[in-house]
Amino acid sequence: QVQLQESGPGLVMPSQTLSLTCSVSGGSISSGSYFWSWIRQPAGKGLEWIGRIYTSGSTNFHPSLKSRVTMSVDTSKNQFSLRLTSVTAADTAVYYCARVVEWEVDPYYFYYMDVWGKGTTVTVSS
Amino acid sequence: DIQMTQSPSSLSASVGDRVTITCRASQSMSSYLNWYQQKPGKAPELLIYAATTLQSGFPSRFSGSGSGIDFTLTIGSLQPEDFASYYCQQTFRTPWTFGQGTKVEIK
Repeated sequence: QVQLQESGPGLVMPSQTLSLTCSVSGGSISSGSYFWSWIRQPAGKGLEWIGRIYTSGSTNFHPSLKSRVTMSVDTSKNQFSLRLTSVTAADTAVYYCARVVEWEVDPYYFYYMDVWGKGTTVTVSS
Repeated sequence: DIQMTQSPSSLSASVGDRVTITCRASQSMSSYLNWYQQKPGKAPELLIYAATTLQSGFPSRFSGSGSGIDFTLTIGSLQPEDFASYYCQQTFRTPWTFGQGTKVEIK
């Protein structure tokens, strides 16, 4: 079955750029009615949706992060990525990638995240 | 943004208890509501989607109900492996938002 694995630096300096990659295994990133998402969770706190990306490259981001976030997809490597610029301590969190299912139940389209990576901890500190 | 308010934020219960967690949306959103279970140190797992559909692999003691603004997650008979945090999430409108979570602890 499909598995996701986040990778990237665990420590990022303040004002620098956080870059993470999510590798997809067990299936093609381009197959099926799926797209891809990033979510984060500060220690001891709840979940925050960061944004989503379709394999076409189309994206949607959380408005609070929109000015600092980019996402990309590399279908040849079966990966998608997150970049967050100008980080501060408030960006310290566990970052998860997830697969989003688009489920058509005419006339509705439901969305849910059915496969998650294990998460990677990113600390912003000097 | 659609605000999701879960209650309670935590609860203590015994094995065999019936547990109910509620999630209220700040606006009507049909059935665009998912529930996730998260155990300490682990990633969330999809539990229920589209308000009422149980994800494969989870036992039938879990059930979801509701539509519009008010939603409920019910655990029919709490088992030791159910002690975890539970989050609701709306996918009616971006930005997708989560409830603050409900921690289910052992009494």
